Amino acid sequence: DQQVKQNSPSLSVQEGRISILNCDYTNSMFDYFLWYKKYPAEGPTFLISISSIKDKNEDGRFTVFLNKSAKHLSLHIVPSQPGDSAVYFCAASDNYGQNFVFGPGTRLSVLP
Amino acid sequence: GAGVSQSPRYKVAKRGQDVALRCDPISGHVSLFWYQQALGQGPEFLTYFQNEAQLDKSGLPSDRFFAERPEGSVSTLKIQRTQQEDSAVYLCASSLRAGGLETQYFGPGTRLLVL
Repeated sequence: DQQVKQNSPSLSVQEGRISILNCDYTNSMFDYFLWYKKYPAEGPTFLISISSIKDKNEDGRFTVFLNKSAKHLSLHIVPSQPGDSAVYFCAASDNYGQNFVFGPGTRLSVLP
Repeated sequence: GAGVSQSPRYKVAKRGQDVALRCDPISGHVSLFWYQQALGQGPEFLTYFQNEAQLDKSGLPSDRFFAERPEGSVSTLKIQRTQQEDSAVYLCASSLRAGGLETQYFGPGTRLLVL
């Protein structure tokens, strides 16, 4: 049973528009959430994180929103750029941070 | 500024063969993680080291999998008597401090194919 779900395997967005990637989790013990970006033949690269004491964290074009009651988080990219085209993984951990659970990923394509 | 490196990048093994995968973390990083990523899936946690101590090995799928980090730097993931279901990308990540809530820096992975 997947503890972290990303129900959209793929997403296509026009350059300059907003990309919204969604993630749902089932384990109420998760307290810390991260988003990673992955290009082909490379390892995942950390993008942005949020802890459960916050409901929003912003870093440049990237904003992560957390709705703890719904066990849902989302990543917003505004404006989207062609270089954002990659697979995005949502990951979650309890506050010990030793065991991260990843979702299956969403492939984002930003069309010029 | 070297990042996390892994070798070999690709490995083809015959079923039943033993393999060893190497991870060189960023110098000075305390925490080291191994993940297994099957095709079309996200990385799955295998094991965690804090320096040379293996604090969590709950993700290792069987006793054929063994990991070590004897001097608290380089780590090796060994798979004995490989099976076809072991085919995956094996990712290593390191982070500066203990606990893992630090940013994890991933290597490029080793793609293992068991025939």
